Amino acid sequence: GIQVEQSPPDLILQEGANSTLRCNFSDSVNNLQWFHQNPWGQLINLFYIPSGTKQNGRLSATTVATERYSLLYISSSQTTDSGVYFCAVGYLGSGAGSYQLTFGKGTKLSVIP
Amino acid sequence: GAGVSQSPSNKVTEKGKDVELRCDPISGHTALYWYRQSLGQGLEFLIYFQGNSAPDKSGLPSDRFSAERTGGSVSTLTIQRTQQEDSAVYLCASSFRDRFYEQYFGPGTRLTVT
Repeated sequence: GIQVEQSPPDLILQEGANSTLRCNFSDSVNNLQWFHQNPWGQLINLFYIPSGTKQNGRLSATTVATERYSLLYISSSQTTDSGVYFCAVGYLGSGAGSYQLTFGKGTKLSVIP
Repeated sequence: GAGVSQSPSNKVTEKGKDVELRCDPISGHTALYWYRQSLGQGLEFLIYFQGNSAPDKSGLPSDRFSAERTGGSVSTLTIQRTQQEDSAVYLCASSFRDRFYEQYFGPGTRLTVT
């Protein structure tokens, strides 16, 4: 199956700093998503970005599908940005139209005041 | 409105016992997903339900795992004869069928098998 690799595995930032998280995937994909899991375990959709660039406040994401990678940018980081960021590749199955996500191992971000 | 709810939030069971985990999706969401998050394997897809269609069970790790969805709403994930390697957080998510990329996740059930 498809492999999803994220880097770095861990990241510590001073509040206010910027960062870039990377996601590489082993095959061409049509669906790429970024998630944030907060320290209490809640998983939240950030972006659905099969290609191109999207921005939402201090976060933005870029996917270059032809080169099989996606980047998540966090600007002016805040302590509330702490948690684990997951990249996931979506696969549309046949039949009932199943949609499965294959997740990377995540990047654990700690923002310190 | 209410989000996805799961119960129990925590479950400790002895090896060999059966457990049932419950998921209440967001009202109106016809698609429902179960995932498992463990230290060793990360986040893994388990099963997908869409309306009254046959579920996609391709992610279930063994025949000890089963799931059902009654009336197109509430879902129950059952693990029979639990093993220690079943210890994990079990996450449920739901979405509208055509907005599969907008999955809303529940808080999870933390299962510990002793």
